[in-house]
Amino acid sequence: GQQVMQIPQYQHVQEGEDFTTYCNSSTTLSNIQWYKQRPGGHPVFLIQLVKSGEVKKQKRLTFQFGEAKKNSSLHITATQTTDVGTYFCAAPGGANNLFFGTGTRLTVIP
Amino acid sequence: DSGVTQTPKHLITATGQRVTLRCSPRSGDLSVYWYQQSLDQGLQFLIQYYNGEERAKGNILERFSAQQFPDLHSELNLSSLELGDSALYFCASTTSGGAGEKLFFGSGTQLSVL
Repeated sequence: GQQVMQIPQYQHVQEGEDFTTYCNSSTTLSNIQWYKQRPGGHPVFLIQLVKSGEVKKQKRLTFQFGEAKKNSSLHITATQTTDVGTYFCAAPGGANNLFFGTGTRLTVIP
Repeated sequence: DSGVTQTPKHLITATGQRVTLRCSPRSGDLSVYWYQQSLDQGLQFLIQYYNGEERAKGNILERFSAQQFPDLHSELNLSSLELGDSALYFCASTTSGGAGEKLFFGSGTQLSVL
């Protein structure tokens, strides 16, 4: 099935610092989604990227889809304690299922 | 609240036992996905159903089975349980299960096999 590699696995930042997580695929993706899972919670959809080179912003979050549609990134500017959680990218596999990356667990130190 | 309901929230059982996890999708959603999340692990896709029919299968063990009923709720059956089956099991639903649809997740069932 589809495999998406995500790095880093863990990231600790001081509150106010920036944070970036990267998602890479060996194959071209039709689209990519990002989810956030708060500690003790369930994954919640953040955004979907479809077009080559697409950039979308949600307040302090910036999502990018690579020109070759094989990689994506999520950047958070000036992290806050509310940003704590695990961020997953997810990409369609064959037969309409959705495969998730390994996730990046973000810890924000006040 | 995502609108997806999973029961029970917690389940504690012994090795060799059999359990059933239940999921009710959002109103109007026809497709249900099951995922397994072990400690510090990502989300492993198990199986997908659409309108009662199996649509896609992931890394689901032979000891595990699932079905989707006419009222669209789904059940995941885990048998001959092993310690390694301890995990958080999520159900998610979408309208039609097509590629690119966003998933709405339930709160999960935490399974502990002792």
